[in-house]
Amino acid sequence: DQQVKQNSPSLSVQEGRISILNCDYTNSMFDYFLWYKKYPAEGPTFLISISSIKDKNEDGRFTVFLNKSAKHLSLHIVPSQPGDSAVYFCAAGKSSGDKLTFGTGTRLAVRP
Amino acid sequence: EAGVVQSPRYKIIEKKQPVAFWCNPISGHNTLYWYRQNLGQGPELLIRYENEEAVDDSQLPKDRFSAERLKGVDSTLKIQPAELGDSAVYLCASKGNTEAFFGQGTRLTVV
Repeated sequence: DQQVKQNSPSLSVQEGRISILNCDYTNSMFDYFLWYKKYPAEGPTFLISISSIKDKNEDGRFTVFLNKSAKHLSLHIVPSQPGDSAVYFCAAGKSSGDKLTFGTGTRLAVRP
Repeated sequence: EAGVVQSPRYKIIEKKQPVAFWCNPISGHNTLYWYRQNLGQGPELLIRYENEEAVDDSQLPKDRFSAERLKGVDSTLKIQPAELGDSAVYLCASKGNTEAFFGQGTRLTVV
């Protein structure tokens, strides 16, 4: 039972354009959502998070949008840079400190 | 500030052999997690500690896996005996008041 789904295994975007990564979840008890970025041979690195009381959180070039009614969140990267090329994981939890349930990841390639 | 430190980075063992992984979390982080990541998948929780107490080990295959976090700081994860299907990246993470921080992981190959 995949409670967090990232249906696009890969995405290719031109440098300078917007990257949009999507994530869907099924468990309505999740109230905390995060995006992690992973480079090869490294552990996941925290990127940005959002709690269920918000619908948007922005940090520089990264913005996460949450649509609770649709159980959907997305990560926008604008403008995209070649250094953003990595695997992006969506994760969800039920409460602060609880375990995180991860999606299967989306590999982003930003073309120069 | 030092991040989460894991060792070894890579390990190759024959099936039926034991193996152990070590994790040093970020100083002051009470919550420690062990995750396993199979190829092409996201990390999956094996066990979560709050200080020295294992508060969620429901996903830990207890017939062959064991973990400990003595004194609520460092942690070790052990597999005995290892099976071919245990080949994966084993990730340790720690959490204070905000998000979880991950180590670089240990890539285990069982041959």
